[in-house]
Amino acid sequence: KAGVTQTPRYLIKTRGQQVTLSCSPISGHRSVSWYQQTPGQGLQFLFEYFSETQRNKGNFPGRFSGRQFSNSRSEMNVSTLELGDSALYLCASSLGTNTGELFFGEGSRLTVL
Amino acid sequence: AQTVTQSQPEMSVQEAETVTLSCTYDTSESDYYLFWYKQPPSRQMILVIRQEAYKQQNATENRFSVNFQKAAKSFSLKISDSQLGDAAMYFCAYRSGGNTGNQFYFGTGTSLTVIP
Repeated sequence: KAGVTQTPRYLIKTRGQQVTLSCSPISGHRSVSWYQQTPGQGLQFLFEYFSETQRNKGNFPGRFSGRQFSNSRSEMNVSTLELGDSALYLCASSLGTNTGELFFGEGSRLTVL
Repeated sequence: AQTVTQSQPEMSVQEAETVTLSCTYDTSESDYYLFWYKQPPSRQMILVIRQEAYKQQNATENRFSVNFQKAAKSFSLKISDSQLGDAAMYFCAYRSGGNTGNQFYFGTGTSLTVIP
């Protein structure tokens, strides 16, 4: 069974631009979560989608948004990029039950110049 | 909100020795799950071990075991017979047990170095 796939793996943007990251979950997984990982901050929860609905949202500004499609694939978008948005963005999928573990992708490393 | 604290930013261990990584958490919930995840350099994060809060018995997975102290809200990871492949960043994580979605709370991580 294929794992969680994130694209692109690396990207460089400049301040003010926007970016869209994509995540394909493990087949059969209906929950997709996004996390921002920065040195010293650990993983910060962005949001979770389950069956195309946002089920939870972290404490990030409105510039960060996401969506989930009927095939469970998810995208997250960051508009008006700031230098502080440079991070590794991790996508994780799970069955969505209250006992499920997270399965992570390799991440998309975003650098904002 | 729940918080997870890992007070050891870096740890090192000699190959074949045992090391314990610390984690404490703060919650008012009684039903929850705890996890240890491993993130090798430039590789994806994988689950090491999980513990259900309602279980008194400590979880064990081969060389990895936990010391779960519910009253003290402590969840440490013990790695026995350390191997070079154990070198990684280790994250402790918490998840509510209720049907509140799939939000995990992570600590800031402990970077483990294994010395040959």
